[in-house]
Parts: sequence; C-alpha cells; structure tokens
Amino acid sequence: QQPVQSPQAVILREGEDAVINCSSSKALYSVHWYRQKHGEAPVFLMILLKGGEQKGHEKISASFNEKKQQSSLYLTASQLSYSGTYFCGTVAAAGNKLTFGGGTRVLVKP
Amino acid sequence: DTEVTQTPKHLVMGMTNKKSLKCEQHMGHRAMYWYKQKAKKPPELMFVYSYEKLSINESVPSRFSPECPNSSLLNLHLHALQPEDSALYLCASSQVVSEDTGELFFGEGSRLTVL
Repeated sequence: QQPVQSPQAVILREGEDAVINCSSSKALYSVHWYRQKHGEAPVFLMILLKGGEQKGHEKISASFNEKKQQSSLYLTASQLSYSGTYFCGTVAAAGNKLTFGGGTRVLVKP
Repeated sequence: DTEVTQTPKHLVMGMTNKKSLKCEQHMGHRAMYWYKQKAKKPPELMFVYSYEKLSINESVPSRFSPECPNSSLLNLHLHALQPEDSALYLCASSQVVSEDTGELFFGEGSRLTVL
C-alpha cells in the first residue's frame, strides 16, 4: 500500500525550512528518501531502518518514528538546489518491495 | 563509475512496432530493476532481476518482456503496446539483492510515446 506524503507541494524562499511527512498504515521496516529534479533520475538521499534513527545529508535530515509508522524529512536553510520532487519509499518487512509515496514538489525561490 | 546508462532517451513507436529499451551499469551491482513513471506520479516497480534471474514481476502485461543477458545489462522488449503505456521507463540497480535496505541507482530513463 502506497505511503501518504504531505504536503503535496511547498514553495520556499532560500534559507527557509520545510518539513515533509510520510505516513503508512502498515508497520514499517525501513523508509527511503529520494529527490527527483525535473527531467532527471531520482537520486537517493537516505535510508532509515526501524529503531527511531535520524540521519542527515547536507542540511537535509530525516527521522523515523516506527510507533507512529511515519517519517519526516527536514529541509533546513533551503538552497535553490533543493528544488525537486521528494519521494519517500517504504518497506513493510525485510525482503519486501519498496513502495513510493505520491511525492512532494518543492520549489525554492531566491 | 557510478552511472546507470539507458538508451534510447526518447522513443516513439506505433502500436504494432517491436522495440527495446536498454540499460547498462558497471558498478558490479547484482540487482537490476525496471520502473514505470507517469507524469507527476511516483515510480512503479515492474520487474526485478537478482543475480540475472527474474525475481519479481509485478503483474506486468506480457507486451513488456524483460531480459537480463548478463550482470551488467538489462533490456525491456516492447511489443504491441498501447497509448496508455506512454511513460518514462526507469532502470535502477542496487548493490544488495533486495530493495529493503539498498540504495537504488537510477538511470535518467527512456521516455516512451506510443502512438
């Protein structure tokens, strides 16, 4: 079942922060985050395994709350290069397939 | 070399044509994937090859036929497609033979238009 991402879109000024949420109705084994710029391939950002860990990639970090079955991606002090569509992907159990959420379009303006 | 290369980048075909999409990676990855992506939608898994054997087929119509000739190459043969099959077809590879913990490396995709 596809995870639900919110918001669907966000517009930021350079330097502003944003949070993207990813929720699942099922228990989760891992959460994956990818960013896809227009006309380009999705690019891996990070994987979070169950255990409530938090990870970071440049000024982009994420948390995983397995009890709430959700993950959040934090864009801190956003840069123009952060623009793109962010997809979370969830895995329900070890060995299961990755299912992507509907995506969150982020536009960072100067 | 951390690239996944897909050819062609663009393809236009009629419903009676036979064509193929190609994907190549030289990272030594043993899992390769085909995804389909419609505009403003997430990638949808079609097929997974693990150690050159088909391990997952997500109930894809038989007009799509995958092939993995060796560990570096992945093909998607297309025949008698429908206009609704028009989409971006993404190839990906991963070092681990499972999607649950592995990073996927995506190619830039082949944009297919079926007339």
